[in-house]
Amino acid sequence: DAMVIQNPRYQVTQFGKPVTLSCSQTLNHNVMYWYQQKSSQAPKLLFHYYDKDFNNEADTPDNFQSRRPNTSFCFLDIRSPGLGDAAMYLCATSSRLAGGRDEQYFGPGTRLTVT
Amino acid sequence: TQLLEQSPQFLSIQEGENLTVYCNSSSVFSSLQWYRQEPGEGPVLLVTVVTGGEVKKLKRLTFQFGDARKDSSLHITAAQPGDTGLYLCAGPRGSGYALNFGKGTSLLVTP
Repeated sequence: DAMVIQNPRYQVTQFGKPVTLSCSQTLNHNVMYWYQQKSSQAPKLLFHYYDKDFNNEADTPDNFQSRRPNTSFCFLDIRSPGLGDAAMYLCATSSRLAGGRDEQYFGPGTRLTVT
Repeated sequence: TQLLEQSPQFLSIQEGENLTVYCNSSSVFSSLQWYRQEPGEGPVLLVTVVTGGEVKKLKRLTFQFGDARKDSSLHITAAQPGDTGLYLCAGPRGSGYALNFGKGTSLLVTP
């Protein structure tokens, strides 16, 4: 089945220790997104790629970086995690439809704990 | 910014009850989407509504898009514990490839 895969599902890192979260997709979608979601809140968009074109949200901290080496893979790098970065990180993909509709397909998420 | 407001924020009901949750905006959207997110998982797309006044049904779930395309509702008939989750509405931004999400309605259905 075509899908969005995130690894690992659970990640524990230490305060200030760099961490990388990965996302892969078999949907062959040209758009990939990274969201941060804290408890009982809506997902907050960090950035997205349209093919290799990177689009950063204005309020995304510099501490968060992303790489997309090819269509299938996208990585989220947190350079110096703080306690406030503990959250669920969601990867999503989409292929823009007629009329500008952007239906997104989410991975299961990576739960990040910062100790 | 095209804000989407969802209500109620939390809803706790018993199995078999009916419920309606709402998604409202002062902006017109070309389409709106509903997602359901189960605890510890990513959101799953339920439906996209595109035409003003449109009604779509997905088993016991009925989705409606307002005539003016500024609001949407989700009605669940005879709720079941498996309906428990966070229901998110989302609409396209004015430009680019991204969505604005509402804050969601957290639904708990108890047996």
